[in-house]
Amino acid sequence: QKEVEQNSGPLSVPEGAIASLNCTYSDRGSQSFFWYRQYSGKSPELIMFIYSNGDKEDGRFTAQLNKASQYVSLLIRDSQPSDSATYLCAVNGVGSSNTGKLIFGQGTTLQVKP
Amino acid sequence: DTEVTQTPKHLVMGMTNKKSLKCEQHMGHRAMYWYKQKAKKPPELMFVYSYEKLSINESVPSRFSPECPNSSLLNLHLHALQPEDSALYLCASSPHWLAVNEQFFGPGTRLTVL
Repeated sequence: QKEVEQNSGPLSVPEGAIASLNCTYSDRGSQSFFWYRQYSGKSPELIMFIYSNGDKEDGRFTAQLNKASQYVSLLIRDSQPSDSATYLCAVNGVGSSNTGKLIFGQGTTLQVKP
Repeated sequence: DTEVTQTPKHLVMGMTNKKSLKCEQHMGHRAMYWYKQKAKKPPELMFVYSYEKLSINESVPSRFSPECPNSSLLNLHLHALQPEDSALYLCASSPHWLAVNEQFFGPGTRLTVL
């Protein structure tokens, strides 16, 4: 089982719709969770982080964390074509081999169609 | 200033060349990171510096040599690289290592080894 799993997509949504991106993680000791957006040929940009169970909203973005289910998601409301990118879920590593590292999922490609 | 800068943006080098990648941050962060990213893959951690000391080396080949001259600067010295080392090299920083905090990436250096 991969430590951080994401559906690679592509996830295609029409402009104005809600895009829902999902991520599961394997280590129950993980405490911090991050969403990065990466446009093609560019570097990852941090768009959300969440440390506590529940929802965290920032503009059109909402991060949701459920530690009991080991599940974190990112909702993008009113999706725009400019949201088309790869979204990377990252989780802080724990244990002797992963402490001090960010563990990335493979990323989900989002396509927002006008 | 909430920016990590990297130079050069692009680098083409032969297998016998020696070159260096540079990274700078002025956010007062005490942890700095080098990542390598291949197309359609997540970033792979190479090195972590905490308070200017090397804290993690992910078994990176010795043809990659990191250096942290001071708390704001991080270099990656390259020598005798192979074509398979062609990738996007990303620098990142965070306030502290081994703490629950966010990593911020620079724009990256696109390296091509001929």
